Amino acid sequence: GENVGLHLPTLSVQEGDNSIINCAYSNSASDYFIWYKQESGKGPQFIIDIRSNMDKRQGQRVTVLLNKTVKHLSLQIAATQPGDSAVYFCAENEDDYKLSFGAGTTVTVRA
Amino acid sequence: DAGVTQSPTHLIKTRGQQVTLRCSPKSGHDTVSWYQQALGQGPQFIFQYYEEEERQRGNFPDRFSGHQFPNYSSELNVNALLLGDSALYLCASSLGDRGRTGELFFGEGSRLTVL
Repeated sequence: GENVGLHLPTLSVQEGDNSIINCAYSNSASDYFIWYKQESGKGPQFIIDIRSNMDKRQGQRVTVLLNKTVKHLSLQIAATQPGDSAVYFCAENEDDYKLSFGAGTTVTVRA
Repeated sequence: DAGVTQSPTHLIKTRGQQVTLRCSPKSGHDTVSWYQQALGQGPQFIFQYYEEEERQRGNFPDRFSGHQFPNYSSELNVNALLLGDSALYLCASSLGDRGRTGELFFGEGSRLTVL
């Protein structure tokens, strides 16, 4: 995960508010990016992905934005819920078959 | 539809011992990747198996080896265990014909503690 990093290791958000998790990457050759959610004691769970030919992709309550100019990726979670509390990882496909993960951002939702 | 299953879920070994971890991919998947996740860190790629061959390897020593069987299940072997090998070992499956990585489905992991 040397090439993928997250701006903040922790994020505390009020239930119902929107969350924004940021990620910077350094390999301009990466063309595929994924956000994963990892709850305590579980394996990472796929949230959403985006390819480098796109700037934005939306899922259910989540949006991923990709800014290739500044090599920045973000995950927006709308109306954050207690079940969204977890560690969030961005990952980049900088090599043929390998994903490189950042260190993660721990999101805590306050009731 | 069974997801990725790993065994054992937890195990404790001592330095110098050897360990074998097992993984069954999600139904319909033919590619298995192994990742090591140290406490508080993101997963680190160990290697990937496709068509019973190691297709790509990360920056891990030869003490880490693997195998993929004809039914696509896989094993991760670690020899001469070190304290630093203590980690959560994650198996992820995918479809090998989707070009690069595609979407990975992770198992719950095997928690290895080396004393």
